[in-house]
Amino acid sequence: DSGVTQTPKHLITATGQRVTLRCSPRSGDLSVYWYQQSLDQGLQFLIQYYNGEERAKGNILERFSAQQFPDLHSELNLSSLELGDSALYFCASSVELGGNTIYFGEGSWLTVV
Amino acid sequence: AQKITQTQPGMFVQEKEAVTLDCTYDTSDQSYGLFWYKQPSSGEMIFLIYQGSYDEQNATEGRYSLNFQKARKSANLVISASQLGDSAMYFCAMREVTSGTYKYIFGTGTRLKVLA
Repeated sequence: DSGVTQTPKHLITATGQRVTLRCSPRSGDLSVYWYQQSLDQGLQFLIQYYNGEERAKGNILERFSAQQFPDLHSELNLSSLELGDSALYFCASSVELGGNTIYFGEGSWLTVV
Repeated sequence: AQKITQTQPGMFVQEKEAVTLDCTYDTSDQSYGLFWYKQPSSGEMIFLIYQGSYDEQNATEGRYSLNFQKARKSANLVISASQLGDSAMYFCAMREVTSGTYKYIFGTGTRLKVLA
């Protein structure tokens, strides 16, 4: 158990809908990262937050947004969902901005039908 | 250009044998970090090992060691005494700093199958 909690673990939704994925980082970790892993693909970096502020953006679509709250949990919002958004979405956390280890949650499996 | 290259899409190894998973990286930074993660079929990403660019010794964690060759920009993972439970996808990753922000970039992975 990495200490990073993601909910929901599985989600099936229809095209055009909106979903919110939630992440609680490890206790004491200030930095949160979101990654997308499509079928048989590597991990694509989406966005990073540190202590409530956005610090880095990757290949995140405009239909997607995220935020980190004062209690350090983070949410990834995916809207106007398309079939191609079906993927495993990971949240990871680290203590520092550029930690020697980033710990991943178990991921949220999103299926868009 | 790929920042992290894993040239072996799939590998087989006999149980109890050692296996090396290749990883090369590309960066102009002097300070960077290299990581390996394991992803079993259940999907979670498990941190295995970390090597800092200034670390002189190769990192070791139990049966995992990282063969760090800085001049060749390679960071191969060596798994000794393979076990059936080692069958999984393995990802090499690099932490680099770009414009003051830290990013963790992953390779495309190597699928390892341990044979009984």
